[in-house]
Amino acid sequence: EAGVAQSPRYKIIEKRQSVAFWCNPISGHATLYWYQQILGQGPKLLIQFQNNGVVDDSQLPKDRFSAERLKGVDSTLKIQPAKLEDSAVYLCASSPIYGGQREETQYFGPGTRLLVL
Amino acid sequence: TQLLEQSPQFLSIQEGENLTVYCNSSSVFSSLQWYRQEPGEGPVLLVTVVTGGEVKKLKRLTFQFGDARKDSSLHITAAQTGDTGLYLCAGATSGTYKYIFGTGTRLKVLA
Repeated sequence: EAGVAQSPRYKIIEKRQSVAFWCNPISGHATLYWYQQILGQGPKLLIQFQNNGVVDDSQLPKDRFSAERLKGVDSTLKIQPAKLEDSAVYLCASSPIYGGQREETQYFGPGTRLLVL
Repeated sequence: TQLLEQSPQFLSIQEGENLTVYCNSSSVFSSLQWYRQEPGEGPVLLVTVVTGGEVKKLKRLTFQFGDARKDSSLHITAAQTGDTGLYLCAGATSGTYKYIFGTGTRLKVLA
C-alpha cells in the first residue's frame, strides 16, 4: 500500500513570496491533516479535513494560510505571503476513519521542509 | 490549552544501555500515543494506550499510561543505534479525541 505522498520535499523562498504544498493521502482515507513542525518542537495541527469538509482549522493563521481538499482526495496548503517564522516542516497525515476516534492511527507523509529567507 | 511536556529534551546514550522518556501534563487524557520520527521522515505510530495504569510492550519498548491518565513513560531496554530518533507523545482529551503532540525527546544511541 502506497504511503502519504507530499511534494515538494524542500522549498526555499523569500519572505512575502507565496508557496504551495501538495499532499496525496493513502487511498480511501477519509480524514486528512496538515501539521506545522518547527525545529525542535512537536507537530502542531493546522487544519483537519473529513472528506472534503473542514473539521478543525482553529490554529490555522487564516490571514496568510489557506487549504483545500477538492473531491475529498488530494489537498493543497498555501501560504501567502510567507513570513520568516513560517520556516518549518509541513506534514500531511491521513487516517482511515473519521477523526476524533479513540484509537485513531494517523499515517504521516515525509513532509515538506520550508525555509523562508 | 493543554500542554504535554516531555523529558528529557535530549538524550545521548551508548548502545546496550536502558533509558526512560517521560510525557507529563496537568490535563487528563482519554488516550495517549507514542510516535518515533526519523530525520527527513514523518512520525510513525508505535503504540496507543487508553486505560489508566495500562502497560504495553513492543519488543524492547515498554509503554506505561499513568493511573490518573495525566502522564506516560516509554522505557527502552538495551538500546540499539536503530532506536535513534525523535520520540513524540500525543494525548487526546475526553470527548474530542483530538491528539495534541508533546515537545519531543531527541534520542541518539551511539555504537
